[in-house]
Amino acid sequence: KAGVTQTPRYLIKTRGQQVTLSCSPISGHRSVSWYQQTPGQGLQFLFEYFSETQRNKGNFPGRFSGRQFSNSRSEMNVSTLELGDSALYLCASSRMGQGFFGSYEQYFGPGTRLTVT
Amino acid sequence: GQQVMQIPQYQHVQEGEDFTTYCNSSTTLSNIQWYKQRPGGHPVFLIQLVKSGEVKKQKRLTFQFGEAKKNSSLHITATQTTDVGTYFCARIPTWRGGSEKLVFGKGTKLTVNP
Repeated sequence: KAGVTQTPRYLIKTRGQQVTLSCSPISGHRSVSWYQQTPGQGLQFLFEYFSETQRNKGNFPGRFSGRQFSNSRSEMNVSTLELGDSALYLCASSRMGQGFFGSYEQYFGPGTRLTVT
Repeated sequence: GQQVMQIPQYQHVQEGEDFTTYCNSSTTLSNIQWYKQRPGGHPVFLIQLVKSGEVKKQKRLTFQFGEAKKNSSLHITATQTTDVGTYFCARIPTWRGGSEKLVFGKGTKLTVNP
């Protein structure tokens, strides 16, 4: 079974620009979660999508948004980029979404390394 | 708040020594998950603990969930160089509409001297 894929793997953007990252989950997985990973803050939860609906959201400003398509693929958008948005953005897919009791084993993609200059 | 505190932040051991990382919460956890991230890699799911006092083993790794479900530990016996990486604990909400939020610990970075 193919793993979670993320594109692009690396991205360099300028402050003020916007960026769209893409994530393709494992086939059959309906939940996609996005995380931001930085050396200082660690792994922080951005949001989760399940069956095209945002189900949970972390504490990030509205510049961070996402969506999920009917085939479960997900995109994340960051508008008006700031230097502090430089990070590794990880997406993770799971068969079941948050809020379902039982195994919520997440499979992470390789991430997109975003550098904002 | 709803954070999970993980200690130590760093651990350096000689190959063959044991290693333990701890995850603590001020509130009762419905579950705890553990992940490993190799340098330059992405987090990989190791295990999920749900029951009070639960102990699970995976070869040289032993995972425990405290009786009060407020702490958890990961113990590696006789570390090997392949154990190098950062180990994260995470709390995953299991009840929709509840106040519990998904949160990862800051991780324990393990280095092993051969």
